[in-house]
Amino acid sequence: AQSVTQPDIHITVSEGASLELRCNYSYGATPYLFWYVQSPGQGLQLLLKYFSGDTLVQGIKGFEAEFKRSQSSFNLRKPSVHWSDAAEYFCAVESYGQNFVFGPGTRLSVLP
Amino acid sequence: DAGVIQSPRHEVTEMGQEVTLRCKPISGHDYLFWYRQTMMRGLELLIYFNNNVPIDDSGMPEDRFSAKMPNASFSTLKIQPSEPRDSAVYFCASSLSSGSDTQYFGPGTRLTVL
Repeated sequence: AQSVTQPDIHITVSEGASLELRCNYSYGATPYLFWYVQSPGQGLQLLLKYFSGDTLVQGIKGFEAEFKRSQSSFNLRKPSVHWSDAAEYFCAVESYGQNFVFGPGTRLSVLP
Repeated sequence: DAGVIQSPRHEVTEMGQEVTLRCKPISGHDYLFWYRQTMMRGLELLIYFNNNVPIDDSGMPEDRFSAKMPNASFSTLKIQPSEPRDSAVYFCASSLSSGSDTQYFGPGTRLTVL
């Protein structure tokens, strides 16, 4: 069955430190891949998405993600975290003929 | 565009009452999605529409839940009768197409059933 996993429930980093949030999927074919961010009390906002082509994708707010087919991963990165990045981050996947599926989310806390 | 609009933002009701959640998608978007978010189950897709027609409602928990889309600019999610376990945040999202297209989310409706 298709699934999306985000191994880290909660991550804490210091402001200015680098960040990597992990996402793995289980699908038969290469799916469409997304990262969304949810600030407290808010809806979800798209950070970036991958369909095909260059496996390194640039998004908004200085985020990027790299698709690695061999590892079935789509990890989100940011070189220097800002306090305003504290939020919940969701990886999402859609494959042909399948519904949109969200991962369980990773909560990011940022220390001053 | 104002984005996806949901109302009400907060709803508190008593068990057994009927609850109606409303959504106005972004103009021109052909797809509309209803999600539920809880701590225990995360984000779950309940149902989605294409051109006002329900395509997949396999995520609807049970018969107490129903959703309609009478026209391209309005959708409702109804729970009748409501139960405490329905307490959650319900999100509506819309997109131009399915698959690769971005879903734009509304701010959500926080439902509390006492």
